[in-house]
Amino acid sequence: GAGVSQSPSNKVTEKGKDVELRCDPISGHTALYWYRQSLGQGLEFLIYFQGNSAPDKSGLPSDRFSAERTGGSVSTLTIQRTQQEDSAVYLCASSFDRINTEAFFGQGTRLTVV
Amino acid sequence: GDSVTQMEGPVTLSEEAFLTINCTYTATGYPSLFWYVQYPGEGLQLLLKATKADDKGSNKGFEATYRKETTSFHLEKGSVQVSDSAVYFCALHQSSTLTFGKGTMLLVSP
Repeated sequence: GAGVSQSPSNKVTEKGKDVELRCDPISGHTALYWYRQSLGQGLEFLIYFQGNSAPDKSGLPSDRFSAERTGGSVSTLTIQRTQQEDSAVYLCASSFDRINTEAFFGQGTRLTVV
Repeated sequence: GDSVTQMEGPVTLSEEAFLTINCTYTATGYPSLFWYVQYPGEGLQLLLKATKADDKGSNKGFEATYRKETTSFHLEKGSVQVSDSAVYFCALHQSSTLTFGKGTMLLVSP
């Protein structure tokens, strides 16, 4: 596609339920990033993919969070047993490679846990 | 590890005023530096970038110069417009690390 696509754009879920957030990066981009943006906060790094592998998972806040990427393209971020503090905008970005290049962001998924 | 520090906002200016948003960084190597902008209700988009020391990035009247000696990448604009109201993020990219500052909100009034 022309840009990074994220779905759904909005998700309201009940506390304790699992959610899956999807990111479709720009075709040909090998690097993919997930960030979390809470109200009034900056961007919190979650995980980075190079191809299908995730060399840097250091930002995942707990073992309830996991992510995968298949075919060097689409990535899914899964949050199990959601908590209210998980409410945030989850942003995905991709870049052509991992070496100092511009990242392109999706519009984000706004997750609300009630 | 790498880090980016930018001035806290909000920065409130009148139209046509001069803008400076300070950004300093800590990195072990030679990162590329970026300013991203997030307009209300929209996603982040690249505003400008610089890939090596003394490079000047510019776009839409905004400028920033990569200063290695002061590890800074301050954003400037000579005359802001109401449409510049947004949140501005300074960022560095080095190897697999893409690190952002906390963002600075700019509010421009007519």
